[in-house]
Amino acid sequence: DVKVTQSSRYLVKRTGEKVFLECVQDMDHENMFWYRQDPGLGLRLIYFSYDVKMKEKGDIPEGYSVSREKKERFSLILESASTNQTSMYLCASSLSQESGNTIYFGEGSWLTVV
Amino acid sequence: DAKTTQPPSMDCAEGRAANLPCNHSTISGNEYVYWYRQIHSQGPQYIIHGLKNNETNEMASLIITEDRKSSTLILPHATLRDTAVYYCIVRVEYGNKLVFGAGTILRVKS
Repeated sequence: DVKVTQSSRYLVKRTGEKVFLECVQDMDHENMFWYRQDPGLGLRLIYFSYDVKMKEKGDIPEGYSVSREKKERFSLILESASTNQTSMYLCASSLSQESGNTIYFGEGSWLTVV
Repeated sequence: DAKTTQPPSMDCAEGRAANLPCNHSTISGNEYVYWYRQIHSQGPQYIIHGLKNNETNEMASLIITEDRKSSTLILPHATLRDTAVYYCIVRVEYGNKLVFGAGTILRVKS
């Protein structure tokens, strides 16, 4: 069965803290993604990675960075958390970029920055 | 990206088939139609996808019109646990971006 696991479901962090959101997939997928989902704005792509140590900016990369040191793991980093980064963060993965390959999502991480 | 249009909400009786329509009149030849659903506070769950032919899996059936300008997701025997927001998405070839619209809120009622 397909599995994308996000390490934390709910986090509360203070403004200015460095935040790490971890994601692991067990499907040997090439591509991994980080989205955020906000009411009325839908899902927005932050970053994606198509290979180990490779990354590409999505639509809203400002204030975020990512790390992919191993194929199965993709981390999202908030260097200095701000209140406007309060959101639901979704990790996803797919076998490749071909559109016939399904993108699978994790359960989501709810981040509140106070 | 091709745009999709879905009704904002639908009701369905438990045990009956739920038929969720989607219009995607600007779809291109190599673009797949994907369906996901999202239950409150959870990540989107993949349901099914197709290119030209009708598709069926253990969760649902996908009927795509011959001109590919619309499709219908069918949940054959809806249960209360199928209450969710259902998203119809057209995915561009070699595209990593999934553009989720507002979706259809399906309420399954006993």
